[in-house]
Amino acid sequence: NAGVTQTPKFQVLKTGQSMTLQCAQDMNHEYMSWYRQDPGMGLRLIHYSVGAGITDQGEVPNGYNVSRSTTEDFPLRLLSAAPSQTSVYFCASSPEREHGYTFGSGTRLTVV
Amino acid sequence: GESVGLHLPTLSVQEGDNSIINCAYSNSASDYFIWYKQESGKGPQFIIDIRSNMDKRQGQRVTVLLNKTVKHLSLQIAATQPGDSAVYFCAENRGNAGNMLTFGGGTRLMVKP
Repeated sequence: NAGVTQTPKFQVLKTGQSMTLQCAQDMNHEYMSWYRQDPGMGLRLIHYSVGAGITDQGEVPNGYNVSRSTTEDFPLRLLSAAPSQTSVYFCASSPEREHGYTFGSGTRLTVV
Repeated sequence: GESVGLHLPTLSVQEGDNSIINCAYSNSASDYFIWYKQESGKGPQFIIDIRSNMDKRQGQRVTVLLNKTVKHLSLQIAATQPGDSAVYFCAENRGNAGNMLTFGGGTRLMVKP
């Protein structure tokens, strides 16, 4: 049982490039979310999903796309990277509404 | 320390003392709250949660208090240890079906040996 696995751990992109941050969980959790964390700040919700085939926007969705074709995977796509997207990205999953999310170890992204 | 805002307040305590970390939440419709601990370079780790129909919940060395009247949450850590040094976040679930958690800005706890 690996929990929530995020890849890659580190990534440097040039402005305008696109990429996909991977997230997988092996706990059969229905709920999954993507957060970004900027230095010295809390986490802000980008997108979330309440089950396969269902996604919705969080607080800061612009510039990001998600899909949820399986229960296990919830990739986050950056369409055209901008320096403002330099951040640490966390994926998290939860089995039900009133249950704490389990977080991955994060992807540190730098856009130059 | 307050959780809302851009600054990261710091609480410094002596090893063995009790710590109290505070959080003000914003939405009166929030019905589920969680405290997370985040160590440097790691993802947030679940500590304890509380539902809005409770005002106190205890775990191992930790207690969460909820005051819905003033929308205030606190985390008490008994006999604070060096391993408790981290940033602590409160999060609120705003009563929506999507299980969206909204996080506060965090408080850094530093434990002096």
